[in-house]
Amino acid sequence: DAKTTQPPSMDCAEGRAANLPCNHSTISGNEYVYWYRQIHSQGPQYIIHGLKNNETNEMASLIITEDRKSSTLILPHATLRDTAVYYCIVRVVGSARQLTFGSGTQLTVLP
Amino acid sequence: KAGVTQTPRYLIKTRGQQVTLSCSPISGHRSVSWYQQTPGQGLQFLFEYFSETQRNKGNFPGRFSGRQFSNSRSEMNVSTLELGDSALYLCASSSRDKGFTEAFFGQGTRLTVV
Repeated sequence: DAKTTQPPSMDCAEGRAANLPCNHSTISGNEYVYWYRQIHSQGPQYIIHGLKNNETNEMASLIITEDRKSSTLILPHATLRDTAVYYCIVRVVGSARQLTFGSGTQLTVLP
Repeated sequence: KAGVTQTPRYLIKTRGQQVTLSCSPISGHRSVSWYQQTPGQGLQFLFEYFSETQRNKGNFPGRFSGRQFSNSRSEMNVSTLELGDSALYLCASSSRDKGFTEAFFGQGTRLTVV
């Protein structure tokens, strides 16, 4: 799986959009971009994934650049409960099922 | 539907002992993966089981083993415990029907080796 690079930490004001960047410059054509988050002392939680088109669900939006070398996870209206470590992962769907977690970004939503 | 259930939630063991952790996946999910999370190494993949067969294995010593039963429940075993095995052990389940796209994690078992 391709390696990802994320900033170690970010702050966001409550109610504002949180934009979390991820670089994956060595991504292959058949690798998807996944986002998970882990709230302190809980198991990681799936957020969203995409291949090349932008994706949106009830939790977040995923914007993938045209060259697919980077992406941004957007939490449109961050709340205090969104404080967590956010992991960006790239992997081939349907292949080996393991997830390779990097260091992630610690997002702190401030009141 | 019920989520992934891991038992026990907390465990304290002594060096040299062995431990067995249990994971019940979401109903209908046949893929179960195990991960170890430590402050120093982060989240690391241990192994994955599908239809009672180990399909993939991470870079861990042979003291770490697992199995999966016909009802998809899985156990992992760590023998001859070392202090460095203290960690949060997480189990994740996924469904072939959805191409294994999402992994659903349990709350984890916090193992402390003293």
